[in-house]
Parts: sequence; C-alpha cells; structure tokens
Amino acid sequence: AQKVTQTQTSISVVEKTTVTMDCVYETRDSSYFLFWYKQTASGEIVFLIRQDSYKKENATVGHYSLNFQKPKSSIGLIITATQIEDSAVYFCAMREYNTNTGKLTFGDGTVLTVKP
Amino acid sequence: EAAVTQSPRSKVAVTGGKVTLSCHQTNNHDYMYWYRQDTGHGLRLIHYSYVADSTEKGDIPDGYKASRPSQENFSLILELASLSQTAVYFCASSDRGQDSDYTFGSGTRLLVI
Repeated sequence: AQKVTQTQTSISVVEKTTVTMDCVYETRDSSYFLFWYKQTASGEIVFLIRQDSYKKENATVGHYSLNFQKPKSSIGLIITATQIEDSAVYFCAMREYNTNTGKLTFGDGTVLTVKP
Repeated sequence: EAAVTQSPRSKVAVTGGKVTLSCHQTNNHDYMYWYRQDTGHGLRLIHYSYVADSTEKGDIPDGYKASRPSQENFSLILELASLSQTAVYFCASSDRGQDSDYTFGSGTRLLVI
C-alpha cells in the first residue's frame, strides 16, 4: 500500500530565506504523481505544485520548486525568498498511476512559520 | 469561478444522532471525495465517487455512508454520530486525469457531544 511520510513536524525560518520541507513515499508502482498542498490558517487547502515520476526535471512554479530524488523515494518542497504569508501547513501527497480511483494519499503535514 | 462548496461550515451534533454533510461542485469534475482531518494530522479518505449514483469506500469508511445523486453533489452521512467522529471534514473534486490535482472545499468542522 502506498504511504507518505513527512518527518518534520514544524519548521521556523526568517523571512526572505529559503526553506526545504522533506517528504518520502512508498509505492509499488513504477509510475506515480506527487503533489504538494498548502493549508492556510483559515483552513483553506490549495494545490501548489506537482511532480510526475517519469520526468527527470524538477517542477517549478513561482517561488516553489521540488527536489525529486526517485532512487530515494523523496520529494522535497523548496520555497525561496519566504514571506510571512507562506506560514501554513504543507502537505505532501501521492497518486499511483495504476489506479482508477483518483485517490491521493497524504502525509501528516509540516507546519511552517515564517518570522520577520 | 469553479468551486467546491461545503455546508454547513460547522456543526454540533449529539452522540447517536444523524449528521449529513453536503458538498457541491461547479468544476464539472467526475471525481469527488470526502476526507477527514484530525488535529495535527493529515487527510484520510473516507469515501469517494467517480460517477453519479455510485460511491466507493476509502481507507476509513466505517461509521460513514456517502451519496452521489448527481455529478455536482456528494454527501457524507453519519447515521449514528459518535465522539470519535469529531473532526474537520473536507470535500474535494478532481478531473479524471491521473495528473489532476484536487480542488478542496472550505471544510466542515464537526463537534460531536
């Protein structure tokens, strides 16, 4: 069964610095999709960025980028030039390719606090 | 604007009572999901549906039923609410593509007393 683990419970950084959040996953499928979501203090959950397992290039969207290390089953989220409003809970999630359920399996999340 | 709307936003229910959480999407998505979030934890899948009039069990379906009467609407039903079902419930929708991301509703905070 697929499993997603985020080992960092919380991280605190100073504004304008770079932060990396870790995520490791387990799957039997050779093809899969990895997602990162952000949950704000209000509870809203929004999609940030996706990595397709068959792509070697790391995905980048705005000041979010991924560090995909397939041999290590690892997908880190990198936020550059952090801002106060980046303070939130970040979830890593995975979907196996050979599924018709659309199901995403989520990690427990990492709380990011960005301080002035 | 495409969206997922949940109602109610919060609810207090009595143990043993029936609770219905509603979800409506305007994304024209085939897939809809109900997840549960407990404090300090991630999201766990309760039920999902990929077509109207059909629902499937997720990872933690015990104590919950689901109903998908139309493509737009997906309900989660707690026939006999229990204290352990106190949580925040999120509805989401997605397209059929394997690379499709979720659009989430704002969540329903349920307190069972």
